[in-house]
Amino acid sequence: AQKITQTQPGMFVQEKEAVTLDCTYDTSDPSYGLFWYKQPSSGEMIFLIYQGSYDQQNATEGRYSLNFQKARKSANLVISASQLGDSAMYFCAMKRVNRGSTLGRLYFGRGTQLTVWP
Amino acid sequence: DTGVSQDPRHKITKRGQNVTFRCDPISEHNRLYWYRQTLGQGPEFLTYFQNEAQLEKSRLLSDRFSAERPKGSFSTLEIQRTEQGDSAMYLCASSLRGGEDEQYFGPGTRLTVT
Repeated sequence: AQKITQTQPGMFVQEKEAVTLDCTYDTSDPSYGLFWYKQPSSGEMIFLIYQGSYDQQNATEGRYSLNFQKARKSANLVISASQLGDSAMYFCAMKRVNRGSTLGRLYFGRGTQLTVWP
Repeated sequence: DTGVSQDPRHKITKRGQNVTFRCDPISEHNRLYWYRQTLGQGPEFLTYFQNEAQLEKSRLLSDRFSAERPKGSFSTLEIQRTEQGDSAMYLCASSLRGGEDEQYFGPGTRLTVT
């Protein structure tokens, strides 16, 4: 079974500082994909970044980077230069991959509420 | 507008009534997903379609729940004989099979069963 664990219910960071949101996962599949989504108070889930289990380099997308440590089964999200608009719930998610094709559903963690203060 | 849309955005219904939600995916996406999210939790998978074929259903999708995607475009999720425990946000997402296959979510339908 696939499981995502986010141990930080809430995190606080000052504007312009960097913050790391933790995510660990459990799977017996050799291939999988890891995702981070942002959910503002409006409710819509916004895709941020993706990391494939066989990718050699850590994924980056603008101010977002994913610190992928495969042996430790962790996929932490790093947000650099935090902005007030980054205040939201952040979810880590995983998808199974078989023979290069993803297998549908996402497995989500419980999320981390990030608050950015001025 | 090229995003995922859902209708209605909010629905209040009395216990025992039937409700139906609609999702319109991004036009070129062939995969469509339904999730349910309760307060303080991450989204939980309900079902997904590839084109018009329903490929997977969660055990959460009891016999009171049914989903369709008749022409491989929009999808409907129906809940029959609603219960208070059905109160949640129902999220729809779509993706294009292949590559990273990232899912793009709609704004959700918030259901309240009184």
